[in-house]
Amino acid sequence: DQQVKQNSPSLSVQEGRISILNCDYTNSMFDYFLWYKKYPAEGPTFLISISSIKDKNEDGRFTVFLNKSAKHLSLHIVPSQPGDSAVYFCAASYDGGASGSRLTFGEGTQLTVNP
Amino acid sequence: DAGVTQSPTHLIKTRGQQVTLRCSPISGHKSVSWYQQVLGQGPQFIFQYYEKEERGRGNFPDRFSARQFPNYSSELNVNALLLGDSALYLCASSISHRGWWEQYFGPGTRLTVT
Repeated sequence: DQQVKQNSPSLSVQEGRISILNCDYTNSMFDYFLWYKKYPAEGPTFLISISSIKDKNEDGRFTVFLNKSAKHLSLHIVPSQPGDSAVYFCAASYDGGASGSRLTFGEGTQLTVNP
Repeated sequence: DAGVTQSPTHLIKTRGQQVTLRCSPISGHKSVSWYQQVLGQGPQFIFQYYEKEERGRGNFPDRFSARQFPNYSSELNVNALLLGDSALYLCASSISHRGWWEQYFGPGTRLTVT
């Protein structure tokens, strides 16, 4: 039962353009969502998060949008840079108030930004 | 500040053996979680510990066990290793951020079972 899905295994964009990574979830109890970036041979690096009480959160070049009715979130990167090339994971949790929460991850999307 | 550290970096074991992986959280973080990442998939939750108590367990067999020490570091033990246990094992420590919990991952331990 894949509760968090990233349907695009890969995405290729030109430097300077927008990258849009998508994520869908099925568990309506999820109330906190995170995006991680992962380079080979490294652990996932936290990028940006959003709680279910918001529909948008921005941090520099990164913006996450949440559509609760569609159970869909997306990560926008503007402008894209070659250093953004990595695997991006969407993750969700539903115990935001507790002492640390289990994360349910999607399968990841390999983003390649071409110079 | 030092991030999450894990040891060893790489490990090769044979089927049936036992392995212990170690993790030190970021200073001030009291919660540690363990994840298994098989090639081509996202990380899968194994355990969560907070203040030395188990707070959550994923869908893994009893061959997997863990503990957290008074200094908040943690160990993950896997007994009777199977070929399918070959994976990247990730440790994450958590801290509350404006009421929500964010997890910061270590570099992982690459376990190969032959």
